[in-house]
Amino acid sequence: SYDLTQPLSVSVALGQTASITCGGDKIGSKTVHWYQQKPGQAPVLVIYRDINRPSEIPERFSGSKSGNTATLTISRAQVGDEADYYCQVWDSGTWVFGGGTKLAVL
Amino acid sequence: ELQLLESGGGLIQPGGSLRLSCAASGFTFTNYAMTWVRQAPGKGLEWVAAIGGSGGSTFYADSVKGRFTVSRDNSRNTLYLQMKGLRAGDSAIYYCARVPILPASYFDYWGQGDLVTVSS
Repeated sequence: SYDLTQPLSVSVALGQTASITCGGDKIGSKTVHWYQQKPGQAPVLVIYRDINRPSEIPERFSGSKSGNTATLTISRAQVGDEADYYCQVWDSGTWVFGGGTKLAVL
Repeated sequence: ELQLLESGGGLIQPGGSLRLSCAASGFTFTNYAMTWVRQAPGKGLEWVAAIGGSGGSTFYADSVKGRFTVSRDNSRNTLYLQMKGLRAGDSAIYYCARVPILPASYFDYWGQGDLVTVSS
């Protein structure tokens, strides 16, 4: 089965830039999607197809991919960005999620 | 307004069966594939099953294959997940979500989830 590796936690100072990585074998050949999940809430799509942002998501959220790593970048981090973030790909007939990264805004 | 509303969850004994429903509104249901994703308490997201817009294509995670069946009634705008042979490890919040394109797509709208607890 395909594995996606995310750091368990990432911390960022208020107003600074946070980067959350997602690693996987040959992830460069796959399309990566990102979800935000706040406590007690359903996940929300924040980035789709590597770099695209739904219209309701702030421009501070961006996605990129290089080599075997995809990255979700959150600029000018706010307290309201504190959440769990999950990457996702499609592989061999199944959808796979990363283990999730808890973002703390200090 | 687009809405997905899950129901049918609850407490069930190991080995039992349960059927979850997801009522959809605010979009043309038949134009979209649908999926189920679950989340065990304090754990991450796990994809469970998906079904194409016409119901002709279905996909399952290995962990539920042969025990769970995904289906849909397009006349009722409703998605279902029939779960049999339930185990403690199936305890989770079950979310339904919309899938714009099959396969290799993302999940663009999610319901609020329904809790299934498998315990004696």
